[in-house]
Amino acid sequence: QSVLTQPPSVSAAPGQKVTISCSGSSSNIGNNYVSWYQQLPGTAPKLLIYDNNKRPSGIPDRFSGSKSGTSATLGITGLQTGDEADYYCGTWDSSLSAYVFGTGIKVTVL
Amino acid sequence: QVQLQESGPGLVKPSETLSLTCAVSGYSISRGYYWGWIRQPPGKGLEWIGSIYHSGSTYYNPSLKSRVTISVDTSKNQFSLKLSSVTAADTAVYYCARGSASVNIAATRLIGFDYWGQGTLVTVSS
Repeated sequence: QSVLTQPPSVSAAPGQKVTISCSGSSSNIGNNYVSWYQQLPGTAPKLLIYDNNKRPSGIPDRFSGSKSGTSATLGITGLQTGDEADYYCGTWDSSLSAYVFGTGIKVTVL
Repeated sequence: QVQLQESGPGLVKPSETLSLTCAVSGYSISRGYYWGWIRQPPGKGLEWIGSIYHSGSTYYNPSLKSRVTISVDTSKNQFSLKLSSVTAADTAVYYCARGSASVNIAATRLIGFDYWGQGTLVTVSS
């Protein structure tokens, strides 16, 4: 199992806001940069957030990232049907010397 | 626009070696970045397999290290994955991706992956 824990699922209505947590430890989130990835059904993951809170070019500002201690959070505002996807956090784990992904969370738009 | 494309057999027999290649276009591997492989078993999460720098320096997931070899061919602008002694547990969609890293004297730490291939399903079965 992964060293980064995410809730298995979250749901909200269109236009609402959701926050997705990623819980780790001092060997990973606590001392390394966090990225977030969106995986639409049947497609490859897509980078949404890097360096804890930066958005790559083309990613709307509805997506935001933050980190506090050994946890990270992805926020999605103005939820759209097109946001239905699996979301993964990822970071380096200094104890494992490995890049690790979170367990993943399925976002459902009601 | 950076593009990555995986290629290789979709079916591998148990105990044999899985071999995949990732062709990169729109960016020269020799300019930098860390080029990696990530896999995803059907219905499950993502697992980092390993990454390589254009110089040939490699970084492997300790859980797979004994079976993994990643190499780079800068003349063809591609990199490859070999996974030996495969079992059904290695059945997955395999993605190649471009990664960034934070580098200092103490260690190299991957930061994340910004460009991904579409993925290729590899099934291990006799």
